Amino acid sequence: QQQVKQSPQSLIVQKGGISIINCAYENTAFDYFPWYQQFPGKGPALLIAIRPDVSEKKEGRFTISFNKSAKQFSLHIMDSQPGDSATYFCAATNTGNQFYFGTGTSLTVIP
Amino acid sequence: DAGITQSPRHKVTETGTPVTLRCHQTENHRYMYWYRQDPGHGLRLIHYSYGVKDTDKGEVSDGYSVSRSKTEDFLLTLESATSSQTSVYFCAISESTSGNQPQHFGDGTRLSIL
Repeated sequence: QQQVKQSPQSLIVQKGGISIINCAYENTAFDYFPWYQQFPGKGPALLIAIRPDVSEKKEGRFTISFNKSAKQFSLHIMDSQPGDSATYFCAATNTGNQFYFGTGTSLTVIP
Repeated sequence: DAGITQSPRHKVTETGTPVTLRCHQTENHRYMYWYRQDPGHGLRLIHYSYGVKDTDKGEVSDGYSVSRSKTEDFLLTLESATSSQTSVYFCAISESTSGNQPQHFGDGTRLSIL
């Protein structure tokens, strides 16, 4: 059973546009929600993370929006660039050891 | 980048053979993890370690064993490899599990079992 559900599976965005990736979870005990970015042949790298006591966190062009009541969180990439083309994973944990990952979103930004 | 080295980076082997993957870290982090990554499944935890000789199972541990005899090394062993274990394997490390510390990943080992 997938603990964290991620959508869409793939996403194509024009350069300068906004990329939005969504994740949903069921376990209300989760208290840490990171997003990872992965390029081909590389391991996932932490992009940005949020705790459920805030509704939004912004770092540069990347923003996490968190809706605790709906048990959903999303990644927004503003002014998307071709260099943002990668696979993005959301994740959740409540123990710090067992991270549950979404199935990934392949983002392509067209010049 | 976190100092994590996985070896080998690529391996092709036959069904029924034993396989050992190595993860080496230079960060002196206490926690180490092994994941597998498969299309449609994301990353799934196989085993993790919370100290030398201290390990525990993750959600997909069947068919895998691990050992950690030194802080810097975490080994993943497939005792008798099966084709279903063809995957990309990632090692991750974490300084702590308190305060929600992130996990940092190596660049993976691509394992093909024929």
